[in-house]
Amino acid sequence: RKEVEQDPGPFNVPEGATVAFNCTYSNSASQSFFWYRQDCRKEPKLLMSVYSSGNEDGRFTAQLNRASQYISLLIRDSKLSDSATYLCVVNLYGNKLVFGAGTILRVKS
Amino acid sequence: DTGVSQDPRHKITKRGQNVTFRCDPISEHNRLYWYRQTLGQGPEFLTYFQNEAQLEKSRLLSDRFSAERPKGSFSTLEIQRTEQGDSAMYLCASSLDRGGIYEQYFGPGTRLTVT
Repeated sequence: RKEVEQDPGPFNVPEGATVAFNCTYSNSASQSFFWYRQDCRKEPKLLMSVYSSGNEDGRFTAQLNRASQYISLLIRDSKLSDSATYLCVVNLYGNKLVFGAGTILRVKS
Repeated sequence: DTGVSQDPRHKITKRGQNVTFRCDPISEHNRLYWYRQTLGQGPEFLTYFQNEAQLEKSRLLSDRFSAERPKGSFSTLEIQRTEQGDSAMYLCASSLDRGGIYEQYFGPGTRLTVT
């Protein structure tokens, strides 16, 4: 079983749509959680950290369910510029990041 | 730009040659990480440093790979006797402890092609 699992997609959505990505992780000792965004042939960029209480940053909302070992990302009012691969990431013991393989989002006009 | 920088951005080499990559982290960050990413996969952890000490190495880091961070600032990753399977994007990241949450920021990567 992979340590971090994501639906690879692609998710094809129209501009303005709301889209949600889910992710599960296997190691209950995981300490911190993130969503990164990666554009084609570019480096991953930190989108947001995910806190137990859930957090929101503009159109983006992240949720964490430690009991179910489940992380989600909701994007509201999708823009063309949101098209990218979204990587679910967990951090073990403050050291290495463990990445999922990513979910591809394509926003179309 | 005060982000993480990596050099070179692209490297093409023949099988069996040695290559060395450099990473300059964000200046106040004390942790530095190396990852490798192949097409269609997320980055995979290779190793990390806290200041100049190398604290963890992945089993992916075979004896042909060596990483250093001699003065706790920049780091180098060397691959000896390259193989075609080493072709990948090599990513460097750095972080600062924020109360136990280590947000890692990535450089642009070095894309290695072994022919």
